[in-house]
Amino acid sequence: DAGITQSPRHKVTETGTPVTLRCHQTENHRYMYWYRQDPGHGLRLIHYSYGVKDTDKGEVSDGYSVSRSKTEDFLLTLESATSSQTSVYFCAISGITGSSYEQYFGPGTRLTVT
Amino acid sequence: ILNVEQSPQSLHVQEGDSTNFTCSFPSSNFYALHWYRWETAKSPEALFVMTLNGDEKKKGRISATLNTKEGYSYLYIKGSQPEDSATYLCASDDTYSGAGSYQLTFGKGTKLSVIP
Repeated sequence: DAGITQSPRHKVTETGTPVTLRCHQTENHRYMYWYRQDPGHGLRLIHYSYGVKDTDKGEVSDGYSVSRSKTEDFLLTLESATSSQTSVYFCAISGITGSSYEQYFGPGTRLTVT
Repeated sequence: ILNVEQSPQSLHVQEGDSTNFTCSFPSSNFYALHWYRWETAKSPEALFVMTLNGDEKKKGRISATLNTKEGYSYLYIKGSQPEDSATYLCASDDTYSGAGSYQLTFGKGTKLSVIP
């Protein structure tokens, strides 16, 4: 299994509070991604990173920010959580090995905003 | 944003049956097509990455084909077993020549249930 962890694994928070989710990898992979998974929508990309301090927006980036100050950590922040951000959040990493570049997913974080 | 479609949405088969499902994707600016297997309460796991038209990949009883000209891929499972029960996701990457970020656009998946 790829060395990728997420913390916390579960969180309940109130509307309007800030929340930070952490993704940590031990694979030294260049690319890191944050997805959210919702019924009827599948996996949707929030933000991604292609190197330290290099990040960009994905399909559903509104209300989220990210930071990557070192290769192994990619943080996702909800500045002011809303109920629509209740979801399961997956981090993924990707590196090129030979000709393949599968994404490896973390275990997920279940976030509930009340 | 790419439009990646998967069909059927769900599928029930008897143990021992063979089955297949479809992923369709825009054929313009195509770079790679991924298949993932996602078991309930777990994380998606990569099955295949295919890049060339006519590619065929196989892993045990599971195989996949790719047609980039018409924009579709098939996933086949031969002799389905209960442990094959999962959601199968496909994802398209339209990044070309490695200049991009290898972003994937996922379909909504096909949920397979294999009945013992």
